[in-house]
Amino acid sequence: DTAVSQTPKYLVTQMGNDKSIKCEQNLGHDTMYWYKQDSKKFLKIMFSYNNKELIINETVPNRFSPKSPDKAHLNLHINSLELGDSAVYFCASSPRTGEGNTIYFGEGSWLTVV
Amino acid sequence: AQSVTQLDSHVSVSEGTPVLLRCNYSSSYSPSLFWYVQHPNKGLQLLLKYTSAATLVKGINGFEAEFKKSETSFHLTKPSAHMSDAAEYFCVVSTPRGGFKTIFGAGTRLFVKA
Repeated sequence: DTAVSQTPKYLVTQMGNDKSIKCEQNLGHDTMYWYKQDSKKFLKIMFSYNNKELIINETVPNRFSPKSPDKAHLNLHINSLELGDSAVYFCASSPRTGEGNTIYFGEGSWLTVV
Repeated sequence: AQSVTQLDSHVSVSEGTPVLLRCNYSSSYSPSLFWYVQHPNKGLQLLLKYTSAATLVKGINGFEAEFKKSETSFHLTKPSAHMSDAAEYFCVVSTPRGGFKTIFGAGTRLFVKA
């Protein structure tokens, strides 16, 4: 009965590779997000989708490309991985955008680029 | 500008003693405020939220927080710490800003000593 699930949980890859992280939510939410958490635990939003449409696109290198095939899925594809991409990536969802909405997080995907 | 400041990066308490994690916010509008907890290698879990109802909000695991508009604070408290409370805690503000933005604090690491 996992609410927000993301795979893989751990990923170690070499610089220059392309990788994807998949995310699915079974909560019936309209809005999904990708957050990046750095080594100092700081959380930064990367993207937000509402009903498959991109609504937030923070300053993120265009090597990062989100894809939402339907409102229950939001995958993150990363091209030409760099050392600085090493971080924990959290997928999340909320019922909708707007004040007071609780954001539900996945367990995280630990990406290590070597 | 909207912002959230967690006043302590680390807090250390003894088991059985009170916990106080401090959070101040800045917002041009009445915000919604949240506390999330992140245990090691886990995603973020909602502890409690304030959305302009009662100013004293009770959450899970015995935590509560009080919204004080005059002090622009939303401090998290618990009467008696348990070892399992050791984790990272994030104060979060959700505020209208051309389409509601959620801003995370930098986090406070809670250590609980036996």
